[in-house]
Formats: sequence, structure tokens, C-alpha cells
Amino acid sequence: KAGVTQTPRYLIKTRGQQVTLSCSPISGHRSVSWYQQTPGQGLQFLFEYFSETQRNKGNFPGRFSGRQFSNSRSEMNVSTLELGDSALYLCATRRVWNTGELFFGEGSRLTVL
Amino acid sequence: ELKVEQNPLFLSMQEGKNYTIYCNYSTTSDRLYWYRQDPGKSLESLFVLLSNGAVKQEGRLMASLDTKARLSTLHITAAVHDLSATYFCAADGSSNTGKLIFGQGTTLQVKP
Repeated sequence: KAGVTQTPRYLIKTRGQQVTLSCSPISGHRSVSWYQQTPGQGLQFLFEYFSETQRNKGNFPGRFSGRQFSNSRSEMNVSTLELGDSALYLCATRRVWNTGELFFGEGSRLTVL
Repeated sequence: ELKVEQNPLFLSMQEGKNYTIYCNYSTTSDRLYWYRQDPGKSLESLFVLLSNGAVKQEGRLMASLDTKARLSTLHITAAVHDLSATYFCAADGSSNTGKLIFGQGTTLQVKP
């Protein structure tokens, strides 16, 4: 069974640009969450989407946004990139009605120059 | 506000030895998760612990949960080099959502 697919895997941007990351969940998983991982701050929750609606949001500025489509695929967008946005962005998906186990994708590694 | 703390943060051990990683969390949580991360890789789910007294084992790893003490442990038995990785625990704060609060991670180095 296919896992969580994230694209692109690696990208380099410059300050002020914007970036869009994509996540395709495991079949049957309707909840998609996004996390940022950095050496300094560790793993931090960005937001969660279910049925095309944002259910939860972490403590990130409004430059970070996301959306979910009817097929459960999700995108996140970061506008006006800052150097501190360099991180591994991880997508995690789950069914909603069982143990709630989260399965993570391989991540998108963003470098901001 | 839910906080999750792991200790130790770094663990260097010889093959064949046993050790335990501790995970404390500050508020009630329905679920406690353990993940493994290899360098440059994503998070691999190891265990999901759902109730007080839950114990799960997979190979040389065993995880347990004490909800009264708000403590989970990950016990490593007879460590082998392949277990070298960073281990994270995470709690959901009874939210039953995809929002997990992660500990800082414990980097395990198993020396031959």
C-alpha cells in the first residue's frame, strides 16, 4: 500500500519568495497534518485539515497557510520566506476513527537563502 | 499547555546492554506515541499506547504507559547497532486530532 507522498523533496528558495508543498495521503486517510522540524525548535505542529476544513492550527504566523482538496490531498504555502523558515516540512496522515496513528511522509526539505 | 519532555537527550551505549528512555508529559493525554527517525529520514511509527498500563513490544523495543504518573518508557533490550537513531515520544493532549506535541528526541548511539 502506498505511503504518504510529499513533493517536492528538496527545494531552495530566496528570502521574500513563496513556496507551495504538496502532500498525498495514504488511501482512506482523510486527516492531514503538517509539521515543521528544525534543529533548534524540534518538531512543531503547523495545522491539520479534515474534510477540507482546518481543524487545528499551531503557533505560526499567517505567512503559513494550507488547504485540503476533496480527494484529501493537501498543500501548504509559505509566503514571504525568511531564513528561519529553512526546515524539514513533514506531512502526516491518519484515519480519524481508529487509534489515530499518524503516518509521516518523507518530508520536503526547504532551504531559504 | 501540554509539554512533553524526554530524558536522556543523548544516549551512547554498548551493544548488548539494556537501557530505558523516559517520556514525561504535563497534562492528560489519550494517546502516547513513539517514533523513530534515522538521519535525514522521516518519522517511523513504533508504538501507539492508548490506555493506562498499556505495554507493547516489537523486537528489542518495549514501550509502556502510566497515565497516572504521566510517564511513558521505551525500554531497549540487548541493544544492537541497527537501533542507532533518534527516538521521539509525542502526546495528543486528549484532543483526538492530528496535533501532537513532541518531546525533544533522544539520540541513541549503539557502539559495537
